[in-house]
Amino acid sequence: DGGITQSPKYLFRKEGQNVTLSCEQNLNHDAMYWYRQDPGQGLRLIYYSQIVNDFQKGDIAEGYSVSREKKESFPLTVTSAQKNPTAFYLCASSRRGWERYNEQFFGPGTRLTVL
Amino acid sequence: KQEVTQIPAALSVPEGENLVLNCSFTDSAIYNLQWFRQDPGKGLTSLLLIQSSQREQTSGRLNASLDKSSGRSTLYIAASQPGDSATYLCAVSPSNFGNEKLTFGTGTRLTIIP
Repeated sequence: DGGITQSPKYLFRKEGQNVTLSCEQNLNHDAMYWYRQDPGQGLRLIYYSQIVNDFQKGDIAEGYSVSREKKESFPLTVTSAQKNPTAFYLCASSRRGWERYNEQFFGPGTRLTVL
Repeated sequence: KQEVTQIPAALSVPEGENLVLNCSFTDSAIYNLQWFRQDPGKGLTSLLLIQSSQREQTSGRLNASLDKSSGRSTLYIAASQPGDSATYLCAVSPSNFGNEKLTFGTGTRLTIIP
């Protein structure tokens, strides 16, 4: 089955640690995205990538980093510089980011909690 | 800056009723509007995408309409079922960017009462 997988489902981080969230898709989509969801707020874009080896900052990129070495994978690292990382993180993909009508499809999410 | 609003934040209706969910946006220069469903603790499921040149889209019991000039979209759910209980989110993409710049509303939490 084609789809987007995220791992782990739950992640706990101690203050000062970096953690990496995994996102893999087998939809052959060119574009991938990372969003953060907080209670009572809409999803906010962290980073996006339209093609391998290229990515752009979204609205709230501070304290996060990404890489796009393979078309299928777009890992997100939450660094110790992110002051309030506890949130639900969602990865998405779309067929081609510069074709404006394309739908975004989402993974199941990773819930990150800082201890 | 684009702002997307969904009112009410929560809605409860008896099973079998038809219902309408609302989405409004402040900047009418959009390229498309997408409706999503989110179950508790889960990711988003895409329901419908309306291109800016379209007025509506239908999928099964769902019908979404778009009025760009007034900055509004509605999601109509016919003959509601308990399985429709979820949070419904709308998102718009601006006309001066590609699809990556989606702006989301905060959602309407729908409960269908059996």
